[in-house]
Amino acid sequence: KNQVEQSPQSLIILEGKNCTLQCNYTVSPFSNLRWYKQDTGRGPVSLTIMTFSENTKSNGRYTATLDADTKQSSLHITASQLSDSASYICVVSDGGATNKLIFGTGTLLAVQP
Amino acid sequence: DGGITQSPKYLFRKEGQNVTLSCEQNLNHDAMYWYRQDPGQGLRLIYYSQIVNDFQKGDIAEGYSVSREKKESFPLTVTSAQKNPTAFYLCASGYRGRVTDTQYFGPGTRLTVL
Repeated sequence: KNQVEQSPQSLIILEGKNCTLQCNYTVSPFSNLRWYKQDTGRGPVSLTIMTFSENTKSNGRYTATLDADTKQSSLHITASQLSDSASYICVVSDGGATNKLIFGTGTLLAVQP
Repeated sequence: DGGITQSPKYLFRKEGQNVTLSCEQNLNHDAMYWYRQDPGQGLRLIYYSQIVNDFQKGDIAEGYSVSREKKESFPLTVTSAQKNPTAFYLCASGYRGRVTDTQYFGPGTRLTVL
């Protein structure tokens, strides 16, 4: 069964600190992996997308890594800000013609002053 | 949220009533999608459309219906047959056939059944 699992479920950090969110997947075949940021009550916004051949991709203070052999990804947030408080969702595409996406349940991050 | 709009933002419905959620995009995307989001669960695909006048069932299509008469619009009807319709509904769009392209999401509609 295609699944995407994220950890931790929730996380609280102090402003200015770094953090790393984890994503493990069992999707096959694999096409690409995406990280989305979802503010409360809003739609998800794309942060990064990585294909099989990419190991890392950055978007400002966000850096995603991908290990396709172990089927693991991480999202590292540097120098966190209050505005980083949101749910971070890992999404894997099975590469089919319909671009079907399998969503993780997300990690809820709270950045405190 | 890009060029995708959803309305209304909040919707209340009595049991037994059908209700239609609006989704419009001006990104010239061929493909459009409807997802449902429940607490503690990942987004689940309800319906998707890759071209005008054509759409396909997703993983949880029962109790829902859609139409795609225009490229820009993909309304979702939640029928009385949907047993547990209270949820956050998200519409998305993207380029057809380009699997590495991002899906752009709308701001969502929160439906509550009273």
